[in-house]
Amino acid sequence: DAKTTQPPSMDCAEGRAANLPCNHSTISGNEYVYWYRQIHSQGPQYIIHGLKNNETNEMASLIITEDRKSSTLILPHATLRDTAVYYCIAPTNAGGTSYGKLTFGQGTILTVHP
Amino acid sequence: DGGITQSPKYLFRKEGQNVTLSCEQNLNHDAMYWYRQDPGQGLRLIYYSQIVNDFQKGDIAEGYSVSREKKESFPLTVTSAQKNPTAFYLCASTLGRGDTEAFFGQGTRLTVV
Repeated sequence: DAKTTQPPSMDCAEGRAANLPCNHSTISGNEYVYWYRQIHSQGPQYIIHGLKNNETNEMASLIITEDRKSSTLILPHATLRDTAVYYCIAPTNAGGTSYGKLTFGQGTILTVHP
Repeated sequence: DGGITQSPKYLFRKEGQNVTLSCEQNLNHDAMYWYRQDPGQGLRLIYYSQIVNDFQKGDIAEGYSVSREKKESFPLTVTSAQKNPTAFYLCASTLGRGDTEAFFGQGTRLTVV
């Protein structure tokens, strides 16, 4: 898996956009970037993933730089329920057939304030 | 509904006893994973399996054992050799293809006294 680096914590005001950065400078050309979030004492939940194009779904947007060395997860209108730990990972992709380890780092603790 | 189920949610054991945590999925996923999470920490990979009858050690496999006799099941045994077994344990599965998301169970909180 490519190593990912995230800030340990971030704050955001309710209703504002939360922009969570992730560095993955060693990412390979066929490795996707995935984002998950974990609310306290629950299993992580998938948010979004992308390869090189920006992606958007009902939960968030993912912006990947052109060189693919970093990405930003955007929660456009953060709510108190978005308070969670956010993980960015880039699992090794063995040619689209499988990947082995699925390694998570420490993630970013996002706290949304009223 | 398809999903991944861990049981039980809370488990208590006496020190020195082996204990087995259950993980079952009905998603027809090939790959399954076990993680350990300590308070305020991220997820650390214990073991993973990409296919039935095959598994590999993760980053912290010492004191743990697994089996993968069926595609749906990936039980984790915490042995008496694990020095600090009290933790939150999470199981996950993926289709096994490189561009698919991981699904997680709700976790088992193991307390050893």
